[in-house]
Amino acid sequence: EIVLTQSPGILSLSPGERATLSCRASQSVRSPHLAWYQQKPGQAPRLLIYGAFSRASGIPDRFSGSGSGTVFTLTINRLEPEDFAVYYCQQYGTTPYTFGQGTTLEI
Amino acid sequence: QVQLQESGPGLVQPSETLSLNCTVSGGSISSYYWSWIRQPPGKGLEWIGYIYHTGSATYIPSLKSRVTMSVDTSKNQFSLKLSSVTAADTAVYYCAHPPILWGQGILVTVSS
Repeated sequence: EIVLTQSPGILSLSPGERATLSCRASQSVRSPHLAWYQQKPGQAPRLLIYGAFSRASGIPDRFSGSGSGTVFTLTINRLEPEDFAVYYCQQYGTTPYTFGQGTTLEI
Repeated sequence: QVQLQESGPGLVQPSETLSLNCTVSGGSISSYYWSWIRQPPGKGLEWIGYIYHTGSATYIPSLKSRVTMSVDTSKNQFSLKLSSVTAADTAVYYCAHPPILWGQGILVTVSS
């Protein structure tokens, strides 16, 4: 099983700042099949990034993904108030598919 | 545009079997591997397993003894059964084809 470790657990920033979220895999992620989601209370996860760096439809270009192998990063430029949420990474290249434990982005 | 919708009981008795369906609309179920994912209240996401339209399924080892997934191509539906449930199985259950397609989720509470 590929274990994904996200850091930091909690990230405290202000609107207008840049957020950098990390996702480290215990072994190389195939292809890379690595996705990032945003989740707000009471809502399903919202896909932001797939294939490590491809933005999903309708996602602002403030969101960008990078990385390969075992180290991946989600960067959010110019934070907006609606960006404060929980973020998860997921690898979907090898079963069992696995998720990171999440990073809470708070004001 | 393909959409997914979960359905099933929101309350299940301890030791009973949780049963959920996912209806695929706007596309054919014969296209992808279809997953079930769950999220206990206040916790993270856990992939349960997936099934192909042929009926071939893969489950997470920790739940393998209690999980059964199936497909009904005539209804464009796939299903999840989780037996011998306990309070620890209380969660929002999502059907999905990650990462692109997700249902809205259904809360299932295990309680007497």
